[in-house]
Amino acid sequence: ETGVTQTPRHLVMGMTNKKSLKCEQHLGHNAMYWYKQSAKKPLELMFVYSLEERVENNSVPSRFSPECPNSSHLFLHLHTLQPEDSALYLCASSQERGLYEQYFGPGTRLTVT
Amino acid sequence: QKEVEQNSGPLSVPEGAIASLNCTYSDRGSQSFFWYRQYSGKSPELIMFIYSNGDKEDGRFTAQLNKASQYVSLLIRDSQPSDSATYLCAVIRAGGTSYGKLTFGQGTILTVHP
Repeated sequence: ETGVTQTPRHLVMGMTNKKSLKCEQHLGHNAMYWYKQSAKKPLELMFVYSLEERVENNSVPSRFSPECPNSSHLFLHLHTLQPEDSALYLCASSQERGLYEQYFGPGTRLTVT
Repeated sequence: QKEVEQNSGPLSVPEGAIASLNCTYSDRGSQSFFWYRQYSGKSPELIMFIYSNGDKEDGRFTAQLNKASQYVSLLIRDSQPSDSATYLCAVIRAGGTSYGKLTFGQGTILTVHP
């Protein structure tokens, strides 16, 4: 595996379900990010982790819960989502948190029914 | 005022022409500037980054940065139909609570027709 991988690539879940998104980076980076891309809206940052420590929560509802067990893995735990949470969820990583370029994974297309 | 503004397009150019994509940003504290290409249904792919005023060239792509005017552009020479995509401009601030946060524009749709 190379770059940034994400699983699953597609997910359909009901509003009462609990699911998790997984991200893994193979670049030796120390910072990882979750972004959300909704139709007709710019990409927006959700969470930032630097050296496994959450350094930013961009006013994200508590039904989204991130977890970073080590610098290579990042999870996004989902529970009691709303239909408006349907979007493309993207994971990214960078060498360090800061001015460095960020590389994105393929994303998870989430549909909440 | 949006933090990062792009003309949503679509911008249509003939094959072989130069495509010029523009972006302005509102925060003078921005220090890093990026161009991503996103094909429909795919994730953003980094194609250029620039940190200093002036031009940076990589193959058919040239990024231009003017911090005084808060303006960054991307030129694509010898445009190909495979360049048809949405181009996203993004910036990062130097410090503060937004340190490391990529702020994106809405994106410009580029269509290169044969």
